[in-house]
Amino acid sequence: DQQVKQNSPSLSVQEGRISILNCDYTNSMFDYFLWYKKYPAEGPTFLISISSIKDKNEDGRFTVFLNKSAKHLSLHIVPSQPGDSAVYFCAASSLSNDYKLSFGAGTTVTVRA
Amino acid sequence: NAGVTQTPKFRILKIGQSMTLQCTQDMNHNYMYWYRQDPGMGLKLIYYSVGAGITDKGEVPNGYNVSRSTTEDFPLRLELAAPSQTSVYFCASSAPGRQGNTEAFFGQGTRLTVV
Repeated sequence: DQQVKQNSPSLSVQEGRISILNCDYTNSMFDYFLWYKKYPAEGPTFLISISSIKDKNEDGRFTVFLNKSAKHLSLHIVPSQPGDSAVYFCAASSLSNDYKLSFGAGTTVTVRA
Repeated sequence: NAGVTQTPKFRILKIGQSMTLQCTQDMNHNYMYWYRQDPGMGLKLIYYSVGAGITDKGEVPNGYNVSRSTTEDFPLRLELAAPSQTSVYFCASSAPGRQGNTEAFFGQGTRLTVV
Protein backbone atom coordinates (compact mmCIF):
# COMPACT_ATOMS: atom_id res chain seq x y z
CA ASP A 1 0.00 0.00 0.00
CA GLN A 2 1.99 2.91 -1.32
CA GLN A 3 0.91 6.03 0.52
CA VAL A 4 3.13 8.43 -1.42
CA LYS A 5 3.15 8.32 -5.19
CA GLN A 6 5.26 9.99 -7.82
CA ASN A 7 3.65 9.08 -11.10
CA SER A 8 6.29 10.54 -13.39
CA PRO A 9 9.43 8.39 -13.38
CA SER A 10 11.39 10.91 -15.40
CA LEU A 11 11.47 14.54 -16.47
CA SER A 12 13.67 16.25 -19.05
CA VAL A 13 13.96 20.03 -19.00
CA GLN A 14 16.11 22.61 -20.72
CA GLU A 15 18.60 24.58 -18.67
CA GLY A 16 17.08 27.81 -17.44
CA ARG A 17 13.49 26.56 -17.65
CA ILE A 18 11.22 25.50 -14.82
CA SER A 19 11.13 21.92 -13.53
CA ILE A 20 7.86 20.84 -11.93
CA LEU A 21 7.78 17.59 -9.98
CA ASN A 22 4.53 16.19 -8.67
CA CYS A 23 3.63 13.99 -5.74
CA ASP A 24 0.32 12.59 -4.48
CA TYR A 25 -0.45 11.02 -1.13
CA THR A 26 -3.31 9.04 0.31
CA ASN A 27 -2.86 9.31 4.09
CA SER A 28 -4.65 12.38 5.45
CA MET A 29 -2.71 12.00 8.73
CA PHE A 30 0.54 13.14 7.14
CA ASP A 31 1.52 16.47 8.64
CA TYR A 32 4.96 17.04 7.18
CA PHE A 33 6.20 16.71 3.62
CA LEU A 34 9.76 16.68 2.35
CA TRP A 35 11.70 16.54 -0.90
CA TYR A 36 15.02 14.76 -1.15
CA LYS A 37 17.57 14.83 -3.92
CA LYS A 38 19.78 11.86 -4.73
CA TYR A 39 22.85 11.56 -6.91
CA PRO A 40 24.11 8.14 -8.06
CA ALA A 41 26.11 6.24 -5.42
CA GLU A 42 25.20 8.77 -2.73
CA GLY A 43 22.60 8.91 -0.01
CA PRO A 44 19.53 11.14 -0.34
CA THR A 45 20.04 14.71 0.80
CA PHE A 46 17.30 16.91 2.20
CA LEU A 47 16.14 19.66 -0.13
CA ILE A 48 13.05 21.41 1.19
CA SER A 49 10.03 20.68 3.35
CA ILE A 50 6.58 21.98 4.18
CA SER A 51 4.28 21.62 7.14
CA SER A 52 0.66 20.68 6.55
CA ILE A 53 -0.44 24.02 8.00
CA LYS A 54 1.18 25.88 5.10
CA ASP A 55 0.53 25.84 1.37
CA LYS A 56 3.85 27.16 0.13
CA ASN A 57 7.48 27.18 1.17
CA GLU A 58 10.29 28.76 -0.78
CA ASP A 59 14.04 28.37 -0.52
CA GLY A 60 16.06 30.04 -3.25
CA ARG A 61 15.33 28.33 -6.55
CA PHE A 62 13.14 25.70 -4.89
CA THR A 63 9.48 26.13 -4.00
CA VAL A 64 7.14 23.47 -2.65
CA PHE A 65 3.38 23.85 -2.95
CA LEU A 66 0.90 21.85 -0.91
CA ASN A 67 -2.77 21.31 -1.81
CA LYS A 68 -4.24 19.43 1.13
CA SER A 69 -7.72 19.08 -0.32
CA ALA A 70 -6.27 17.35 -3.37
CA LYS A 71 -3.61 15.51 -1.34
CA HIS A 72 -1.04 16.81 -3.78
CA LEU A 73 2.27 18.57 -3.57
CA SER A 74 4.69 19.82 -6.14
CA LEU A 75 8.28 21.00 -6.28
CA HIS A 76 9.22 23.84 -8.61
CA ILE A 77 12.84 24.45 -9.55
CA VAL A 78 13.47 27.79 -11.25
CA PRO A 79 15.72 28.18 -13.12
CA SER A 80 16.85 24.60 -13.69
CA GLN A 81 20.61 24.05 -13.74
CA PRO A 82 22.72 21.09 -14.93
CA GLY A 83 23.62 20.28 -11.32
CA ASP A 84 19.92 19.70 -10.64
CA SER A 85 20.08 16.48 -12.67
CA ALA A 86 19.33 13.83 -10.04
CA VAL A 87 16.57 11.63 -8.65
CA TYR A 88 14.05 13.52 -6.54
CA PHE A 89 12.06 11.74 -3.85
CA CYS A 90 8.91 13.00 -2.24
CA ALA A 91 8.42 11.89 1.38
CA ALA A 92 5.82 12.37 4.10
CA SER A 93 5.57 11.76 7.82
CA SER A 94 3.15 12.09 10.72
CA LEU A 95 3.50 12.57 14.46
CA SER A 96 1.01 9.73 14.98
CA ASN A 97 3.38 7.35 13.18
CA ASP A 98 6.64 8.21 14.98
CA TYR A 99 7.63 10.57 12.18
CA LYS A 100 8.59 7.63 9.97
CA LEU A 101 9.17 8.80 6.42
CA SER A 102 7.15 7.23 3.61
CA PHE A 103 8.81 7.74 0.24
CA GLY A 104 7.59 7.91 -3.32
CA ALA A 105 9.38 5.98 -6.06
CA GLY A 106 11.29 9.01 -7.27
CA THR A 107 11.48 11.15 -10.40
CA THR A 108 14.69 11.31 -12.41
CA VAL A 109 15.32 14.85 -13.61
CA THR A 110 17.64 15.51 -16.52
CA VAL A 111 18.55 19.12 -17.26
CA ARG A 112 19.67 19.59 -20.87
CA ALA A 113 22.22 22.25 -21.76
CA ASN B 1 31.35 16.85 9.74
CA ALA B 2 30.87 13.06 9.65
CA GLY B 3 27.06 13.00 9.97
CA VAL B 4 25.84 9.45 9.30
CA THR B 5 28.54 6.90 8.48
CA GLN B 6 27.81 3.49 7.02
CA THR B 7 30.20 0.61 6.53
CA PRO B 8 30.90 -1.26 4.34
CA LYS B 9 30.11 0.57 1.08
CA PHE B 10 29.92 -2.64 -0.92
CA ARG B 11 29.56 -6.29 -0.05
CA ILE B 12 28.91 -9.56 -1.85
CA LEU B 13 27.40 -12.34 0.24
CA LYS B 14 26.68 -15.94 -0.54
CA ILE B 15 23.20 -17.30 0.14
CA GLY B 16 22.91 -18.29 3.79
CA GLN B 17 25.79 -16.14 5.01
CA SER B 18 25.35 -13.53 7.72
CA MET B 19 26.62 -10.01 8.05
CA THR B 20 26.14 -6.79 9.97
CA LEU B 21 25.79 -3.40 8.32
CA GLN B 22 27.23 -0.75 10.58
CA CYS B 23 25.75 2.71 11.07
CA THR B 24 26.90 5.47 13.38
CA GLN B 25 25.89 9.11 13.70
CA ASP B 26 27.56 11.95 15.54
CA MET B 27 24.66 14.43 15.62
CA ASN B 28 23.13 13.16 18.87
CA HIS B 29 19.92 12.32 17.04
CA ASN B 30 17.46 10.20 18.95
CA TYR B 31 15.74 8.70 15.90
CA MET B 32 17.53 6.29 13.58
CA TYR B 33 16.28 4.30 10.59
CA TRP B 34 17.26 1.60 8.14
CA TYR B 35 15.86 1.75 4.61
CA ARG B 36 16.42 -0.36 1.54
CA GLN B 37 16.09 0.83 -2.03
CA ASP B 38 15.43 -1.57 -4.85
CA PRO B 39 15.89 -0.49 -8.49
CA GLY B 40 13.17 1.91 -9.65
CA MET B 41 11.57 1.95 -6.24
CA GLY B 42 11.40 4.34 -3.37
CA LEU B 43 13.00 3.72 -0.02
CA LYS B 44 11.26 1.18 2.18
CA LEU B 45 11.65 1.23 5.95
CA ILE B 46 13.12 -1.92 7.47
CA TYR B 47 13.52 -1.00 11.15
CA TYR B 48 13.68 2.17 13.16
CA SER B 49 14.53 3.34 16.65
CA VAL B 50 13.29 6.35 18.62
CA GLY B 51 16.05 6.10 21.20
CA ALA B 52 18.64 3.85 22.80
CA GLY B 53 17.12 0.53 23.83
CA ILE B 54 14.00 1.01 21.68
CA THR B 55 13.51 -0.54 18.24
CA ASP B 56 10.49 -1.25 16.10
CA LYS B 57 9.64 -2.86 12.77
CA GLY B 58 9.05 -0.92 9.59
CA GLU B 59 7.40 -2.05 6.35
CA VAL B 60 9.86 -4.83 5.40
CA PRO B 61 11.52 -6.25 8.56
CA ASN B 62 11.61 -9.95 7.64
CA GLY B 63 15.12 -11.37 7.46
CA TYR B 64 16.66 -8.52 9.45
CA ASN B 65 17.41 -7.64 13.05
CA VAL B 66 18.60 -4.48 14.75
CA SER B 67 19.82 -3.28 18.11
CA ARG B 68 20.29 0.17 19.61
CA SER B 69 22.53 0.00 22.65
CA THR B 70 23.83 3.56 22.25
CA THR B 71 22.47 6.79 20.77
CA GLU B 72 25.20 6.79 18.13
CA ASP B 73 25.04 3.25 16.72
CA PHE B 74 22.29 1.32 14.94
CA PRO B 75 23.62 -1.86 13.31
CA LEU B 76 21.50 -3.95 10.94
CA ARG B 77 21.97 -7.71 11.01
CA LEU B 78 21.20 -10.13 8.17
CA GLU B 79 21.18 -13.66 9.56
CA LEU B 80 20.62 -15.87 6.50
CA ALA B 81 21.20 -13.87 3.36
CA ALA B 82 18.80 -14.46 0.47
CA PRO B 83 18.88 -13.11 -3.11
CA SER B 84 15.79 -11.02 -2.30
CA GLN B 85 17.97 -9.00 0.06
CA THR B 86 20.12 -7.74 -2.80
CA SER B 87 19.58 -4.00 -2.51
CA VAL B 88 21.09 -0.70 -1.49
CA TYR B 89 20.75 -0.06 2.22
CA PHE B 90 20.58 3.41 3.75
CA CYS B 91 20.86 4.36 7.37
CA ALA B 92 19.43 7.68 8.49
CA SER B 93 18.97 9.72 11.64
CA SER B 94 16.75 12.59 12.71
CA ALA B 95 15.68 14.65 15.69
CA PRO B 96 12.01 15.61 15.19
CA GLY B 97 11.30 19.08 16.52
CA ARG B 98 8.20 20.60 18.04
CA GLN B 99 7.05 21.76 14.62
CA GLY B 100 7.24 18.20 13.44
CA ASN B 101 10.15 18.81 11.12
CA THR B 102 11.40 15.32 10.41
CA GLU B 103 14.32 16.07 8.18
CA ALA B 104 16.42 12.92 8.16
CA PHE B 105 20.10 12.76 7.35
CA PHE B 106 21.26 9.79 5.31
CA GLY B 107 24.47 7.83 5.05
CA GLN B 108 26.14 7.07 1.72
CA GLY B 109 24.57 3.64 1.47
CA THR B 110 25.74 0.02 1.39
CA ARG B 111 25.33 -1.86 -1.87
CA LEU B 112 24.71 -5.51 -1.01
CA THR B 113 24.60 -8.35 -3.52
CA VAL B 114 23.56 -11.86 -2.47
CA VAL B 115 24.61 -14.61 -4.88
